[in-house]
Amino acid sequence: QITLKESGPTLVKPTQTLTLTCTFSGFSLSRSGVGVGWIRQPPGKAPEWLALIYWDDDKRYSPSLKSRLTISKDTSKNQVVLTLTNMDPVDTGTYYCVHCIVGAVDWFDPWGQGTLVTVSS
Amino acid sequence: NFMLTQPHSVSESPGKTVTISCTGSSGSIASNYVQWYQQRPGSAPTAIIYQDNQRPSGVPDRFSGSIDSSSNSASLTISGLKTEDEADYYCQSYDSSNYCVFGGGTKLTVL
Repeated sequence: QITLKESGPTLVKPTQTLTLTCTFSGFSLSRSGVGVGWIRQPPGKAPEWLALIYWDDDKRYSPSLKSRLTISKDTSKNQVVLTLTNMDPVDTGTYYCVHCIVGAVDWFDPWGQGTLVTVSS
Repeated sequence: NFMLTQPHSVSESPGKTVTISCTGSSGSIASNYVQWYQQRPGSAPTAIIYQDNQRPSGVPDRFSGSIDSSSNSASLTISGLKTEDEADYYCQSYDSSNYCVFGGGTKLTVL
């Protein structure tokens, strides 16, 4: 059974850097055809894809946020870390860690429970 | 920018069939696979369709996906509606640069 759980601060101030950790189990990120991604969802709005890291350490970022995002993995700890710099109130939302199945298309299953991050002074 | 447009809301009665559309803003929606995710209130989204019309293990066959190239749209059809199907549904695909894009979501009410 694959599970993912996000951890990190629930409240950050504008201009600060957000660091979120995804701790997962039930799969290895060193196995071919696997990825872990981050998707966020502002309150009442649609999900927005942020970043993805693959088993071979290839990384992809949302073009609109690329300059602010960094994704990395620690395979030995079964963790993926996302940093988002220069936080703004519009970055408020629930941040999900997702298991990515890489094949004819990348799709996301399952998702973590999500962690609500609020940006406010 | 590539966008996926969904109806804001749909409603239907239990036992009936409902179809939710997802229209691509440019290019051919058939060029990249479409996925569908269900999000019940207070929960994380879950995948119900991938690669246009494939169901993940455990998803009932009441859920089906299709592509209509003539309207540049993907559709999610739910038959035999149950009250537990009441949720938000999101389509997802990729733009021409292979970046992930989500639709705006459709709220399904089963009444």
